[in-house]
Amino acid sequence: QLQLVESGGGVVQPGRSLRLSCSASGFTLSTYGMHWVRQAPGKGLEWVAVISYDGSDKYYADSVKGRFTISRDISKNTLYLQMNSLRPEDTAVYYCAKDRYGDHSACLDFWGQGTLVTVSS
Amino acid sequence: SYVLTQPPSVSVAPGQTARITCGGNNIRSQSVHWYQQKPGQAPVVVVYDDSVRPSEIPERFSGSNSGNTATLTISRVEAGDEADYFCQVWDSSSDHWVFGGGTKLTVL
Repeated sequence: QLQLVESGGGVVQPGRSLRLSCSASGFTLSTYGMHWVRQAPGKGLEWVAVISYDGSDKYYADSVKGRFTISRDISKNTLYLQMNSLRPEDTAVYYCAKDRYGDHSACLDFWGQGTLVTVSS
Repeated sequence: SYVLTQPPSVSVAPGQTARITCGGNNIRSQSVHWYQQKPGQAPVVVVYDDSVRPSEIPERFSGSNSGNTATLTISRVEAGDEADYFCQVWDSSSDHWVFGGGTKLTVL
């Protein structure tokens, strides 16, 4: 049974850092591309970052490039998002999601329930 | 960067057909995916690769893609279909994944 459980969200001051985790079960991260997608309160979905199935490729949205880093620990089957220099506009629910078959064009066929990050002084 | 345009809202009576569009430059050359999101829940894919429906999704959901517009069609709409719907593609020119702005489907 597939499961994705995000953690690490919370309230953080602008300029500070936070690391999100996404623990996967029922499949191995080394088989699928993994994404972070966020949703600001009352807004639409915004893609944040992806790491390819083999870990060789990492891509970021322009809004987070240079501040956020996606990574994974295969031994723990866990995906991470290190978020530095946080801004109020980074406030959102952050979802991790797996792609369907490890290809760049594949849909996101399974999502976690999300973790809320609030950036406020 | 690639832009996907959706109408903010679509309203339809129960039993009727809802069509939600997703516009993009030459979108027919892309694989378009559609997600349904109900309040307080994570998104769920309802159509992928333009027109493929996951086995757990009702046959009432279908997709098409032609020219500059992809369309999600929901036949015999039910109250439970009321949700936000998002289209999504991978933009190979920028290696960015792009979502449309979303369409709120209201069942009258």
